[in-house]
Amino acid sequence: DTAVSQTPKYLVTQMGNDKSIKCEQNLGHDTMYWYKQDSKKFLKIMFSYNNKELIINETVPNRFSPKSPDKAHLNLHINSLELGDSAVYFCASRFSGGSETQYFGPGTRLLVL
Amino acid sequence: AQKVTQAQTEISVVEKEDVTLDCVYETRDTTYYLFWYKQPPSGELVFLIRRNSFDEQNEISGRYSWNFQKSTSSFNFTITASQVVDSAVYFCALSENTGNQFYFGTGTSLTVIP
Repeated sequence: DTAVSQTPKYLVTQMGNDKSIKCEQNLGHDTMYWYKQDSKKFLKIMFSYNNKELIINETVPNRFSPKSPDKAHLNLHINSLELGDSAVYFCASRFSGGSETQYFGPGTRLLVL
Repeated sequence: AQKVTQAQTEISVVEKEDVTLDCVYETRDTTYYLFWYKQPPSGELVFLIRRNSFDEQNEISGRYSWNFQKSTSSFNFTITASQVVDSAVYFCALSENTGNQFYFGTGTSLTVIP
């Protein structure tokens, strides 16, 4: 019944490693997002895909690369992890259009040592 | 410029007190949508309410109520008779009719003291 799911929930890794976070939604939405939430709780949008097409690409280091194999999935790959990448990463989805509500996944807590 | 401003960073109240969380937004669109989300200590982001720009009626849901005023570009959230379970970070957000972006405020951390 999970609407928006993310794996893994926790990720602890060393600096310099490469890691991926996966997101899947079963709501039939056509738009998906990645957000980064730092320790001050600011929610910063990173990327958005609509029907597998990248539509929002905020100022994010190019070590971050999103991939959307289909409209129900949006994965985030991070190369050469840095200490500053430690944060909670949220996936969200909605139907396209300003009136639509965004629904969030449970978050992935990434800790880079 | 920040499209959504939540000026209150942290608020503490004693249980059973009423508390209002402020949200001020900025947009040039005539059609837009406002949202509130709750993030409890467990970390998930929970949708609370959506309001469109043409509906200025106040909304009440149990102990929660929302006051939308276009004249002051505000969409404030009041919790009546607060409870410890209301302790969370609350986010206000704006979605304009065009585009796919959500604009989140910086959040207000509410602590309800027993």
